[in-house]
Amino acid sequence: EDQVTQSPEALRLQEGESSSLNCSYTVSGLRGLFWYRQDPGKGPEFLFTLYSAGEEKEKERLKATLTKKESFLHITAPKPEDSATYLCAVQNTGRRALTFGSGTRLQVQP
Amino acid sequence: EPEVTQTPSHQVTQMGQEVILRCVPISNHLYFYWYRQILGQKVEFLVSFYNNEISEKSEIFDDQFSVERPDGSNFTLKIRSTKLEDSAMYFCASSEYVRDSHYGYTFGSGTRLTVV
Repeated sequence: EDQVTQSPEALRLQEGESSSLNCSYTVSGLRGLFWYRQDPGKGPEFLFTLYSAGEEKEKERLKATLTKKESFLHITAPKPEDSATYLCAVQNTGRRALTFGSGTRLQVQP
Repeated sequence: EPEVTQTPSHQVTQMGQEVILRCVPISNHLYFYWYRQILGQKVEFLVSFYNNEISEKSEIFDDQFSVERPDGSNFTLKIRSTKLEDSAMYFCASSEYVRDSHYGYTFGSGTRLTVV
């Protein structure tokens, strides 16, 4: 059974204070690992897909990395508008379904 | 930017009643999905739909649930006899066929279903 565990559950940062979110996963065959952002009352918004260990992707202040067991979402010099819940999900080979973690609720204070 | 549209945004229904949640996926997408998120819990996969048939479903998607693409634009989720535990946010999503992993799934803003 595919499993995704995210830590920490919640993170409070000061504006400009860089940090990392962790996503540990167990999957029999990885087709892709996804990062999404979710604002309150909204649907998940796609950020990145990572396919293989060693891969990295960047978008503005966000950088996602992948190993065989975990992924990190690094946030550099965050701004208040980066406040959201960040979700990690895995997709098993041969399947359409995404298995989501519980998310990390990020709050960036000015 | 293309988006997935869901209606209604909030639906309140009596236990035992049938409810239909509606979605308009992105026009050139070929895969459609329903996910749900119970308050404070993880986003959970319900079903995927391709070429007018269910391609995959989860254990949650039992005989009480059904999906349909009644025309070229709408995609619906029907719950036949709602239970209190069906209260959740229901998200519709769609994806391209070949490059869906690369571009991810596009989710709608959700329908909050409250069963009383």
